[in-house]
Amino acid sequence: AQTVTQSQPEMSVQEAETVTLSCTYDTSENNYYLFWYKQPPSRQMILVIRQEAYKQQNATENRFSVNFQKAAKSFSLKISDSQLGDTAMYFCAFIDFGNEKLTFGTGTRLTIIP
Amino acid sequence: EAGVAQSPRYKIIEKRQSVAFWCNPISGHATLYWYQQILGQGPKLLIQFQNNGVVDDSQLPKDRFSAERLKGVDSTLKIQPAKLEDSAVYLCASSPASLLGQGRKAFFGQGTRLTVV
Repeated sequence: AQTVTQSQPEMSVQEAETVTLSCTYDTSENNYYLFWYKQPPSRQMILVIRQEAYKQQNATENRFSVNFQKAAKSFSLKISDSQLGDTAMYFCAFIDFGNEKLTFGTGTRLTIIP
Repeated sequence: EAGVAQSPRYKIIEKRQSVAFWCNPISGHATLYWYQQILGQGPKLLIQFQNNGVVDDSQLPKDRFSAERLKGVDSTLKIQPAKLEDSAVYLCASSPASLLGQGRKAFFGQGTRLTVV
């Protein structure tokens, strides 16, 4: 069974600083996708960034980038120039080509301090 | 583009009562998911539909939970009877087809917060 682990329940950082959220996963599959989702207080899950396991290049989306280490099964999210609107729960998620089930980690609560 | 609609937003019921949640996915989306998110945890998949067929319901407590997706569009999730541990946010999501395609993603609704007292 696939598992996703986020070891940082809470983090806080000053506005405009850079913050990195950690995620590790466990799978025996070779082909899969990884995601970071943001969940603000409105509860609506918003896709932040996506990484295909077969791609060696790390995905980037504006201020958001990932450090994907396939051998280590690590998938961290870096937020540069953090903004107050980045305050939210962040979930790491995984889906493989076998069962197509989207599995989430337990989340990291990120607070951006003015 | 209209998003995934869920209702109600909030529901409070007593244990052993019944409750139903409704989800209207994005038009044309073949895949629909129901997730349970207990406070402090990540979402857990309860059931996944492809059109009106069930793809995965391995984590659905079938003795009390049921879900249907008539005509492959709207879906309802029912709990009967509810237990205290069912208190959670119930999220509905939809996607055009399988998520295993380049650029594909799941779109989530705002969820229903259920409190069982």
